[in-house]
Amino acid sequence: GAVVSQHPSWVICKSGTSVKIECRSLDFQATTMFWYRQFPKQSLMLMATSNEGSKATYEQGVEKDKFLINHASLTLSTLTVTSAHPEDSSFYICSARQGMWSGELFFGEGSRLTVL
Amino acid sequence: KQEVTQIPAALSVPEGENLVLNCSFTDSAIYNLQWFRQDPGKGLTSLLLIQSSQREQTSGRLNASLDKSSGRSTLYIAASQPGDSATYLCAVANAGKSTFGDGTTLTVKP
Repeated sequence: GAVVSQHPSWVICKSGTSVKIECRSLDFQATTMFWYRQFPKQSLMLMATSNEGSKATYEQGVEKDKFLINHASLTLSTLTVTSAHPEDSSFYICSARQGMWSGELFFGEGSRLTVL
Repeated sequence: KQEVTQIPAALSVPEGENLVLNCSFTDSAIYNLQWFRQDPGKGLTSLLLIQSSQREQTSGRLNASLDKSSGRSTLYIAASQPGDSATYLCAVANAGKSTFGDGTTLTVKP
């Protein structure tokens, strides 16, 4: 299957700093990428839909100024957690859809963020 | 709003058993249904994708079926192995995004 690479796989930062996570589709172009947050032993919570060349669509309750999403090219989307706080500590995962609405979803390896 | 339910939440079986995982969804106007596997602390690995016009897909020891009209899908795992131990999630795609179930955590005992 297609490959989606996520980086970094884990990051530790101090409270108040910003952290950027990258999501790349390595062997296909993705007009749409998705960002999720996952708490321990829970399913994925969709945070936002990232559309190439346009603004991201955020799910209800997700602060767009807190979680900045940029999808500048067909192979790269970034999530920046701004002014991180300990409650932002979580597992963040991205996915990319190959093709249009009925295309297969491929996931990155996830990024573990710990805010001290 | 699409809702996806997976039953059971957890399942423990001895090695070699055949097993079935269930996924149900409330809105049948879907583009596709996808089954994933997630190992602890990892991302999701795509197992099978069933388009809305299809009834089933097979890959190795895995077989997934889709009954769109009744809003159900099953994932059949034949001759289970300890390496199959993981959380299995189903996701249905409609309205431009996918909705995930909470998953079934499978433990296959040697």
